[in-house]
Amino acid sequence: EDQVTQSPEALRLQEGESSSLNCSYTVSGLRGLFWYRQDPGKGPEFLFTLYSAGEEKEKERLKATLTKKESFLHITAPKPEDSATYLCAVQAVGSNYKLTFGKGTLLTVNP
Amino acid sequence: DTAVSQTPKYLVTQMGNDKSIKCEQNLGHDTMYWYKQDSKKFLKIMFSYNNKELIINETVPNRFSPKSPDKAHLNLHINSLELGDSAVYFCASSQGRDPTDTQYFGPGTRLTVL
Repeated sequence: EDQVTQSPEALRLQEGESSSLNCSYTVSGLRGLFWYRQDPGKGPEFLFTLYSAGEEKEKERLKATLTKKESFLHITAPKPEDSATYLCAVQAVGSNYKLTFGKGTLLTVNP
Repeated sequence: DTAVSQTPKYLVTQMGNDKSIKCEQNLGHDTMYWYKQDSKKFLKIMFSYNNKELIINETVPNRFSPKSPDKAHLNLHINSLELGDSAVYFCASSQGRDPTDTQYFGPGTRLTVL
């Protein structure tokens, strides 16, 4: 069964203090790994899709990387508006359109 | 314009009642989904339709029945509601040409069963 484990569960940073979120996964064959951001009371908002080990994608202060076992979401010089829950999901080969999500990392950035 | 919309946003009802949640997308996508997010914020797929055909049907009680009248709409009907059905239900859609197409989520419907 596909599994996604995110760590830490919660992370508090000061504004400008860079850090990384981890997403470890177990799938029979990875078709894609997805990062979403979820604000309180809202639906998940798409950030990135990574397809193969070694791939990196960037958007503003966020950079996602992928290895054969895990993905990292690096946050550089975060701002309070980056506070949200960050969700990681995987799609396995043969799973059709199914995404398996982790429980998320709640990021709080203090001014 | 809202891309994926759901109604209602909040739904409070008694145990044993039957209720429906509606979802509409104006993105021209072929595939739509229902997810359940429980109190621990764990987001889990329930159903998916591609061109009105059911393609994902996870282990969900048969009290839950999705209905897709057309490609732009996917409704979720729940019979005989139970306390454990309390959760936030999200609808999503994707282009549907490739399984890795980005899934766009609606704002969610918070269901509370008393």
